[in-house]
Amino acid sequence: ETGVTQTPRHLVMGMTNKKSLKCEQHLGHNAMYWYKQSAKKPLELMFVYNFKEQTENNSVPSRFSPECPNSSHLFLHLHTLQPEDSALYLCASSQGLTSGSSLDTQYFGPGTRLTVL
Amino acid sequence: GQSLEQPSEVTAVEGAIVQINCTYQTSGFYGLSWYQQHDGGAPTFLSYNALDGLEETGRFSSFLSRSDSYGYLLLQELQMKDSASYFCAGGYGGSQGNLIFGKGTKLSVKP
Repeated sequence: ETGVTQTPRHLVMGMTNKKSLKCEQHLGHNAMYWYKQSAKKPLELMFVYNFKEQTENNSVPSRFSPECPNSSHLFLHLHTLQPEDSALYLCASSQGLTSGSSLDTQYFGPGTRLTVL
Repeated sequence: GQSLEQPSEVTAVEGAIVQINCTYQTSGFYGLSWYQQHDGGAPTFLSYNALDGLEETGRFSSFLSRSDSYGYLLLQELQMKDSASYFCAGGYGGSQGNLIFGKGTKLSVKP
């Protein structure tokens, strides 16, 4: 248990569906992240929220929409996905730093295994 | 953009020592982390090097050489439970804390 939970753990959806992934952290952290993990590819950073403000959006298609209502919760809203979006979606949190020159250890949730039919 | 290179697979036997190498691009780089991920599990933090040299944490050690743009994770006294994927991740300037991950090295420990 890392203190980061994700629901659901598994999700199967059609291309016309709308669904949301939820992440909650119980560590008192100020930064939260969404990553996509596909087979044989590196972990891809999708979104970063630092102190509830979105600070990174790494050219993610608009069919993925993040929401961070508070520093403990992070959502990823999904709509009109494509089969190539099938992957493990990982949420992470970290303390959050005001300086960009030191490492902020990230704690990962167990992920949501998404299958798009 | 930045990318990190590491071997895709390594196999070793119980009790042995294995070294997993990682090379990275230097622009904006400030440190190298290592994460472990068991099948079906979440990545978990192992170690971090901001300065050149060796950092030791029990059976695991991590090394960084900035002049060579290279680091490695050293696993000693291998156990079956060490079978997992190991990711190096570079910290790069810009937004705080953001990591660029390598593709991961799948370590298989045999009896």
